[in-house]
Amino acid sequence: DTEVTQTPKHLVMGMTNKKSLKCEQHMGHRAMYWYKQKAKKPPELMFVYSYEKLSINESVPSRFSPECPNSSLLNLHLHALQPEDSALYLCASSQSRALTNLSYNEQFFGPGTRLTVL
Amino acid sequence: GEDVEQSLFLSVREGDSSVINCTYTDSSSTYLYWYKQEPGAGLQLLTYIFSNMDMKQDQRLTVLLNKKDKHLSLRIADTQTGDSAIYFCAESGYGGSQGNLIFGKGTKLSVKP
Repeated sequence: DTEVTQTPKHLVMGMTNKKSLKCEQHMGHRAMYWYKQKAKKPPELMFVYSYEKLSINESVPSRFSPECPNSSLLNLHLHALQPEDSALYLCASSQSRALTNLSYNEQFFGPGTRLTVL
Repeated sequence: GEDVEQSLFLSVREGDSSVINCTYTDSSSTYLYWYKQEPGAGLQLLTYIFSNMDMKQDQRLTVLLNKKDKHLSLRIADTQTGDSAIYFCAESGYGGSQGNLIFGKGTKLSVKP
């Protein structure tokens, strides 16, 4: 299984709602990532988990809260979002980010969740 | 900081070759990648090249790397309408990127029948 799955595919939420995005992989990867992608732009890195521990937070507002309950799952909890947070949210995974192989970073991407905040 | 630049658009006719260019600034980049993104979909890794190589061929895809000029190109032979997508160049390395992917802005390839 070389697939990264994401649910839901589409999500519409109000600014007072709480929702969660889910990501799953069964490739034995120990690094997982959340990206935000606005239209006609490249993906922007939000968070990196390595061995289920948060290793990188790219100054993301606290209304986005990541969680990695186990090595196969990655969640992104959303609360009190703004309309400008509307975007495609992509999850990715890769082999471990051990220092020896840090430079090679083949990431497998999920299809994304299209989020609209009203 | 690190920067990856690409031209934004390319239009070709079906059957022609497409060449998408990319320049990067981080001299410590060790791997360079080409990702393809179709509308409404995630990114798919097409190919990658290690920085001590100057060429890599994989079926219809040829990657050329000029490390001195920090220039990378992706050539697609016999381009098909199914190749229409956005192509992102990305780099990773031991430098400022800390192994993370640094993406270019993407080149939108349009293939006309």
